[in-house]
Parts: sequence; C-alpha cells; structure tokens
Amino acid sequence: EIVLTQSPATLSLSPGERATLSCRASQSVSSYLAWYQQKPGQAPRLLIYDASNRATGIPARFSGSGSGTDFTLTISSLEPEDFAVYHCQQRNYWPPTFGGGTKVEIK
Amino acid sequence: EVQLVESGGGLVQPGGSLRLSCSASGFTFSSYAMHWVRQAPGKGLEYVSAISSNGGSTYYADSMKGTFTISRDNSKNTLYLQMSSLRAEDTAVYYCVKGDIAAAGIAEYFQHWGQGTLVTVSS
Repeated sequence: EIVLTQSPATLSLSPGERATLSCRASQSVSSYLAWYQQKPGQAPRLLIYDASNRATGIPARFSGSGSGTDFTLTISSLEPEDFAVYHCQQRNYWPPTFGGGTKVEIK
Repeated sequence: EVQLVESGGGLVQPGGSLRLSCSASGFTFSSYAMHWVRQAPGKGLEYVSAISSNGGSTYYADSMKGTFTISRDNSKNTLYLQMSSLRAEDTAVYYCVKGDIAAAGIAEYFQHWGQGTLVTVSS
C-alpha cells in the first residue's frame, strides 16, 4: 500500500498570503495524484487531479505540481473560504490511498 | 445533479453489526462503480471498499476484509455496507462515493461524495 505523507500538519497563514502544501509518496505514483479540500462537517471536494489539472469550477488560485514521489499544492493568495483541511490521494496503485491531511488555519 | 444520501449510522456496541445504506439519484446508478471511504474523528480519509456497476466484483482494503461486505441493489439505486464484529477503531464518518467508471478494482479519483453517516462503536 502506498503511503502518502503530508506536510506540514498545520499551516498558519493570513488571508492574502501564499500557501504551499506538500505530499510525498512512499514510491512513485507517476502523476496520478489528486488534492481535496474539506471544510468542517462537509465531505471532501476534488480540487486538483493528475497532479496539476484543476477540477471543474475550481478557482485559478489553486495550482498543483509534481510527479513521481513529490507533489505540491499552492494557493496563490488565500481567501477566507480557503481555510480548511487539504488531503492528497493517489490512484496509481490499488487501493487508492490518502495522506493524513494539512490544516490551513488563520494566523 | 448527483446526490448521495447515506443512512444507517449510529451507536453500536463492540462486536455488534450495522448496515449502512446510500441512496443515489441524478445519474444512472447501474452504470457506475461505487465506493465507501471513511474518516475517523479528527483523522484523515481511509478507503474502505468498492463494488462494480453490476455488483459482480467487490474489493476491500486489507483491514476491512472479512468484516465488511459491500453490495448494491440497482433496482433501488442503493448501495450498502454491512459491517460486523465492529471495534472502537471502526468509529468514523462513512462516506458513499460515486465512481466514474463501471469497473471496480481500478483506483480512481472521487468527484461525488455523500455527506456521510457517523458510526460510533462504544459500550
């Protein structure tokens, strides 16, 4: 099973700042990595798939990069609604696996 | 619009059983694989199980094998998860998730999620 390690566990930033989140895979997952946003009491929402493609309706301030074992989600300028937990997920191997999440909180 | 509504969660004693249901609408249910993903309180997401569009193939994460059974009734547009021998570690919100292909056993991304149903295993 592929282990995804997200860092940092918590990111404390102010609105307007840039957020950089990391996801590292225990072995290469090619570009088959997605990012999800989850707000309290809500289901996850798909943001990015195949490492760098934004899902339908996702604002351009969200971008993804990376391949192999190291991936990054960048939020260029944090809006108030972006403070949430972010999860990465790989689909290169069965079973699909998720990272432990990064919480982006207001500083 | 895709809608997935889970039900059946609640408080159950260790060793007990519970059956979760997921009622689907807004798409041709019988054409897509379906999945269950869970999330323990304050923790990350954990993949549970998948079933193919016709119900002929089922897959489980290793830790769920033998205790969870996924099934579906395409005539009722409903997905099920039968859980037995429950332990405290099974306490989680269980999400029903729509697949984008008919086959199960192929890892996918997850676009459509239900709101989840909370299962609490405690004496």
